[in-house]
Amino acid sequence: EDKVVQSPLSLVVHEGDTVTLNCSYEVTNFRSLLWYKQEKKAPTFLFMLTSSGIEKKSGRLSSILDKKELFSILNITATQTGDSAIYLCAVEAGLWASGSRLTFGEGTQLTVNP
Amino acid sequence: IAGITQAPTSQILAAGRRMTLRCTQDMRHNAMYWYRQDLGLGLRLIHYSNTAGTTGKGEVPDGYSVSRANTDDFPLTLASAVPSQTSVYFCASSDSGYGYTFGSGTRLTVV
Repeated sequence: EDKVVQSPLSLVVHEGDTVTLNCSYEVTNFRSLLWYKQEKKAPTFLFMLTSSGIEKKSGRLSSILDKKELFSILNITATQTGDSAIYLCAVEAGLWASGSRLTFGEGTQLTVNP
Repeated sequence: IAGITQAPTSQILAAGRRMTLRCTQDMRHNAMYWYRQDLGLGLRLIHYSNTAGTTGKGEVPDGYSVSRANTDDFPLTLASAVPSQTSVYFCASSDSGYGYTFGSGTRLTVV
């Protein structure tokens, strides 16, 4: 059974702090790892990672994947109150011929206080 | 329509009633999915469809059924709702290798 575990489950920081969110996984037929940000409604896409060691960056957010150790981290620097959200890690797995599915972790609830 | 449309946005349902949650996409994605989201459990896959005419069971399929008569529509049916099906339901679609798109969700309360 595919498994994705995120830590911490919740985190409270002050504006300007840097945070690191963790995601470890055990899946069969790994294809990619995805990070999403969820505020009030649907998860919104942040990053898709398929190769080890290549950092993806978007503004103050960055993420990297380690396929040997089976984990990923999401970094947010100079946090702002608008970064407050649930951050979801998901792993896409499955054989190319039979389609893919996403397995999600529990999410990390990040609260950034002014 | 742009992306994925789910309906209704919220619903209060009496236990034992039948309910269909609707999901329509206009991106011509082959694969579609239904997830439920519960506090502390993340999103869990209920059913999926890799292409029109095929469906499969996810992690928590019991009490739910789906159909995929065409590419665009993927309705989720609760035959006889129970309180444990109170949740937020998300429909998603994907075009393999290019990520997933989520609908805005349906908040269902079974009383």
